[in-house]
Amino acid sequence: EAQVTQNPRYLITVTGKKLTVTCSQNMNHEYMSWYRQDPGLGLRQIYYSMNVEVTDKGDVPEGYKVSRKEKRNFPLILESPSPNQTSLYFCASSLGQGSFILFFGDGTRLSIL
Amino acid sequence: SQQGEEDPQALSIQEGENATMNCSYKTSINNLQWYRQNSGRGLVHLILIRSNEREKHSGRLRVTLDTSKKSSSLLITASRAADTASYFCATDLWTGNQFYFGTGTSLTVIP
Repeated sequence: EAQVTQNPRYLITVTGKKLTVTCSQNMNHEYMSWYRQDPGLGLRQIYYSMNVEVTDKGDVPEGYKVSRKEKRNFPLILESPSPNQTSLYFCASSLGQGSFILFFGDGTRLSIL
Repeated sequence: SQQGEEDPQALSIQEGENATMNCSYKTSINNLQWYRQNSGRGLVHLILIRSNEREKHSGRLRVTLDTSKKSSSLLITASRAADTASYFCATDLWTGNQFYFGTGTSLTVIP
């Protein structure tokens, strides 16, 4: 089954404790991206990747890092999480090459105390 | 920011009625898409309309795009309880590498 898988689905942690949210897709998509969803603000793009080893900042990249060492994986790293990063996070992928339809994971709810 | 806005923020209708929601955006776009989000789940693509198209249909969905007004509307005809969800518009620019989502319309269809 074609899917985007995020782990963990839920995480409660404390300020300053490094964490990684993993994202994996099995559709051989070139494009992957991360979003955060906050009430009243919709989805805002954090980082995106057009292909392996190619990443770029979205609208709200501060406090986040990403890497794209393999085509299928695009982890989101919070090196020193802070309470304002408490949010619902979504990973999405797209075929790329002129295809603009995004396939989303089911989300990761992060609470940073 | 290019981020769009949906209107209304919330909509409650009876089953069988039509639901219309609107999206406005700020700059010229390449494509506009509508996505649906069920509670606790990721977004699911519904329909894409290109900037040179004015109207598109898919099943019970009808999307219009008015680039002069920088707005789009999504019409769901003969709504069902299963249509209860949040609906988001998303735009992309000519570079095709960034997507801008609206704030969403929460639709409740009452059986």
